[in-house]
Amino acid sequence: EVQLVQSGAEVKKPGESLKISCKGSGYSFTSYWIGWVRQMPGKGLEWMGIIYPGDSDTRYSPSFQGQVTISADKSISTAYLQWSSLKASDTAMYYCARRDGYNGYFDYWGQGTLVTVSS
Amino acid sequence: QTVVTQEPSFSVSPGGTVTLTCGLSSGSVSTSYYPSWYQQTPGQAPRTLMYSTNTRSSGVPDRFSGSILGNKAALTITGAQADDESDYYCVLYMGSGISVFGGGTKLTVL
Repeated sequence: EVQLVQSGAEVKKPGESLKISCKGSGYSFTSYWIGWVRQMPGKGLEWMGIIYPGDSDTRYSPSFQGQVTISADKSISTAYLQWSSLKASDTAMYYCARRDGYNGYFDYWGQGTLVTVSS
Repeated sequence: QTVVTQEPSFSVSPGGTVTLTCGLSSGSVSTSYYPSWYQQTPGQAPRTLMYSTNTRSSGVPDRFSGSILGNKAALTITGAQADDESDYYCVLYMGSGISVFGGGTKLTVL
């Protein structure tokens, strides 16, 4: 059974750094892209970027390029989304999802990680 | 940057049929955009409904169908049920590995 399990909720202050995780199981982690999706409170889904754990090829939406870093550790089947300096506007639910193919769709989803940034 | 457009809201009667659309701020949607559709209820992770325009994801009932209608991708729900009341999002592939979500449609069944 394919599963994506995300790390728990985080409460941070503006300016702090953060790295959240998404652990895949039940499939070959290095053979599928993993993507990240943001959902701000009361708002829609936003496509942030994807990574191919097999070779760490990473693609970012122009809206998120330079704002976050996506990485992966294939030895532990885990993808990451990180911030070097959080802003209040980073407060959101973040979902990871497995992507079926380079131009494909998200077929499996994590449960989401709520990030709250507040002073 | 190209914007993916969806109706902000739609209403359908129980048992009725509704078609949600997914367009581009500039240009037409074709199968080359590999449209996919996702359903989300409050407090839940999204659920994948449809991909590659008209292929239903595993477990999705056949009252959900996908197509290209004119210059947009479309998701049609035939025989709407109360638990179809959700937010629906489309995604279009823009090239170079990048995709974009539409703004979402809030579907009310009443």
